[in-house]
Amino acid sequence: GDSVTQMEGPVTLSEEAFLTINCTYTATGYPSLFWYVQYPGEGLQLLLKATKADDKGSNKGFEATYRKETTSFHLEKGSVQVSDSAVYFCALSDGDSGAGSYQLTFGKGTKLSVIP
Amino acid sequence: DAGITQSPRYKITETGRQVTLMCHQTWSHSYMFWYRQDLGHGLRLIYYSAAADITDKGEVPDGYVVSRSKTENFPLTLESATRSQTSVYFCASRLAVTYNEQFFGPGTRLTVL
Repeated sequence: GDSVTQMEGPVTLSEEAFLTINCTYTATGYPSLFWYVQYPGEGLQLLLKATKADDKGSNKGFEATYRKETTSFHLEKGSVQVSDSAVYFCALSDGDSGAGSYQLTFGKGTKLSVIP
Repeated sequence: DAGITQSPRYKITETGRQVTLMCHQTWSHSYMFWYRQDLGHGLRLIYYSAAADITDKGEVPDGYVVSRSKTENFPLTLESATRSQTSVYFCASRLAVTYNEQFFGPGTRLTVL
């Protein structure tokens, strides 16, 4: 079945540091890929997405590129801020797997803490 | 207000009691989902619904029941709560099959004593 593996946390960075959170996936079809963010005490919000190979999703300074050859969708940001402290989830939606096209498969989440 | 809401936000109950978590969305999205979030597991799908009166099991359905008599509501019932069902529960919705972004509610933190 489908699965998503993302780097274990927690990750602690100083403000203005470079961020990378690794995400790799396995899927039976041609999935769409997502990064969701969860701020403390809140639900998940879509951060960015990519629907086909070589697409780059971007939002709020975050970027991720859909790499089909390496089955990866790593999240990056050039300069993190304290307000970026949250839990980040990589996810896929496999449109070719019948009933599975209705659901997202999530990684376990990576907690990011940014210190001033 | 438009969006997706969940109630209650916090619930404490005892083992063996029935508990219902409510989810309401104002977008008329066809698809709705229930997830549970546990440390070390990320989010796992409990049940989903493609339309009113159409529901199906997800990855971890045991001990849960859902119904969807109206498009905008998707309640989740724990028929006889167990401690292993202590978790944070998220409801989500999505417009249609070709729009695979899901929108999440704020969550319900359930504690079973």
